[in-house]
Amino acid sequence: AQSVTQLGSHVSVSEGALVLLRCNYSSSVPPYLFWYVQYPNQGLQLLLKYTSAATLVKGINGFEAEFKKSETSFHLTKPSAHMSDAAEYFCAGGPQGGSEKLVFGKGTKLTVNP
Amino acid sequence: KAGVTQTPRYLIKTRGQQVTLSCSPISGHRSVSWYQQTPGQGLQFLFEYFSETQRNKGNFPGRFSGRQFSNSRSEMNVSTLELGDSALYLCASSPTPGEQFFGPGTRLTVL
Repeated sequence: AQSVTQLGSHVSVSEGALVLLRCNYSSSVPPYLFWYVQYPNQGLQLLLKYTSAATLVKGINGFEAEFKKSETSFHLTKPSAHMSDAAEYFCAGGPQGGSEKLVFGKGTKLTVNP
Repeated sequence: KAGVTQTPRYLIKTRGQQVTLSCSPISGHRSVSWYQQTPGQGLQFLFEYFSETQRNKGNFPGRFSGRQFSNSRSEMNVSTLELGDSALYLCASSPTPGEQFFGPGTRLTVL
């Protein structure tokens, strides 16, 4: 079965510093990989999506992610953190099972320090 | 276009009661999925409906059920509520394979 693992449940960076959130997927490569962001008391917002068209994917708010098959990784990066980036980030893979089912990682809470 | 809407946003119930949550997908989206989010288990897939048919179901007891109407709106029902059912329930709609748009969720508290 497909699985997604996020390394680090909490990441803390200074404003202006590089943001790196790690995600690894199981070797049974899903059709798509996603990064979502969740702000307190809100639903999930799609940051970016990998669909095999390009290994480097650019998303909203300056985020990007690189698909590396050799490392089974799909890490999320942003060159310069902003206070407004503080949120929880989820990596997901799917769909699977002949439906739209997504499998999510456990999430990484990003704190941005002034 | 209006986003995915979920009602109610907050619910408080007691053990043994039942609850119905509602989700209105983005216009034109025929697939609706439901997820349960808890601090301990994270985001877990409940079920997905497409054109009024359940297409997939997660590993949840039969107390959890759902349905979809001809206008794509969906409801999920939880009967005989348990304390462990306290969670944020998220609905997502999809226009194409692999892209899901999430609603704000319904926060259910079971006392």
